[in-house]
Amino acid sequence: DADVTQTPRNRITKTGKRIMLECSQTKGHDRMYWYRQDPGLGLRLIYYSFDVKDINKGEISDGYSVSRQAQAKFSLSLESAIPNQTALYFCATREAGAGVEQFFGPGTRLTVL
Amino acid sequence: RKEVEQDPGPFNVPEGATVAFNCTYSNSASQSFFWYRQDCRKEPKLLMSVYSSGNEDGRFTAQLNRASQYISLLIRDSKLSDSATYLCVVIRPGGSYIPTFGRGTSLIVHP
Repeated sequence: DADVTQTPRNRITKTGKRIMLECSQTKGHDRMYWYRQDPGLGLRLIYYSFDVKDINKGEISDGYSVSRQAQAKFSLSLESAIPNQTALYFCATREAGAGVEQFFGPGTRLTVL
Repeated sequence: RKEVEQDPGPFNVPEGATVAFNCTYSNSASQSFFWYRQDCRKEPKLLMSVYSSGNEDGRFTAQLNRASQYISLLIRDSKLSDSATYLCVVIRPGGSYIPTFGRGTSLIVHP
């Protein structure tokens, strides 16, 4: 079984709809992250969390919100989706510390029409 | 200047070739450095960490040059299976250890 899972894997929705992307991990890591990836722009950090109820904005948090109700789960919401939020979204986890690896989920491909 | 910069490529090389990528970073106090590999539309996966003394893993060698603020990745004897995007990751200074990703360098190895 995968250590970091994301649901759904693919989603097509319409402008204005509310969307929630879920991330679960079995690695026992405290730190969880949401990124979006657009062609040519690399991975950009949306939000991150270091513990349950701890929420921190990344570089592109506008239009997104997150919830960390349990150590193993970190959900990303788009309250009112817009077409420029069409992207590949990745969840990641890692332990605390400078020299440690990040583990990524398989990604969610979101299309907003 | 962007925090982490990479040449997007693509680098198009024949099998067996040696290819090198560089990645520059802007914050001299950055703490840790990594190379990740990403296959098309898949999640990034750690290729190797980059240590101050440099490190080697089979055909792959990573080096850090703090004075010039860049890290490098050398791939020897390229295989078709090395075709992927290589992401440079730099950990920002400070206790939060936030990873910052470069945009990636695309490598295409052809027969």
